[in-house]
Amino acid sequence: DGGITQSPKYLFRKEGQNVTLSCEQNLNHDAMYWYRQDPGQGLRLIYYSQIVNDFQKGDIAEGYSVSREKKESFPLTVTSAQKNPTAFYLCASSIGRREGETQYFGPGTRLLVL
Amino acid sequence: GENVEQHPSTLSVQEGDSAVIKCTYSDSASNYFPWYKQELGKRPQLIIDIRSNVGEKKDQRIAVTLNKTAKHFSLHITETQPEDSAVYFCAASRDNFNKFYFGSGTKLNVKP
Repeated sequence: DGGITQSPKYLFRKEGQNVTLSCEQNLNHDAMYWYRQDPGQGLRLIYYSQIVNDFQKGDIAEGYSVSREKKESFPLTVTSAQKNPTAFYLCASSIGRREGETQYFGPGTRLLVL
Repeated sequence: GENVEQHPSTLSVQEGDSAVIKCTYSDSASNYFPWYKQELGKRPQLIIDIRSNVGEKKDQRIAVTLNKTAKHFSLHITETQPEDSAVYFCAASRDNFNKFYFGSGTKLNVKP
């Protein structure tokens, strides 16, 4: 999991502002994921991507957008439509060649609203 | 979709005792069950996993059991140590592309 990086570690968002969280991996993984973690709760899937130029909505996609132009990168944009964005955001990746694979997580980005 | 419930939400044990965390799932098609450990402010890290064709798996002080009929699986930690203190998450996944459904987490506190 050391091959997945996220930046920044902390991010502050002003009301009405879009912000983008970076996720990069050098593990040659096809699949990448974005999760949101709120205090006392489990991880909830925002978006996932099986392959470059393809991505699917997870369980809580409203107010978020993603792109997958490169295998190594899966940035997440938190739009102004997301009314409660304060959370810990985790990116993950897996090989992507079969079901039931281990997902490896990045160090996370903590998003706070000013 | 899948619903994973995890109990207890907090667990406090004395060093050297055993700890057991239980999860239930709703979708009988789920076939992969990983457990993650997350220390405060850190990333979740896989500690053990089990597939539906296996009933039990052990790795040193950690074991996982799976009861497919009852749709529940459990994490067992023996001889607990203070460094085992963390939040533990279970998850379930089925064939539709490796989507993980996580439990709400158990905060384990091992008292020295």
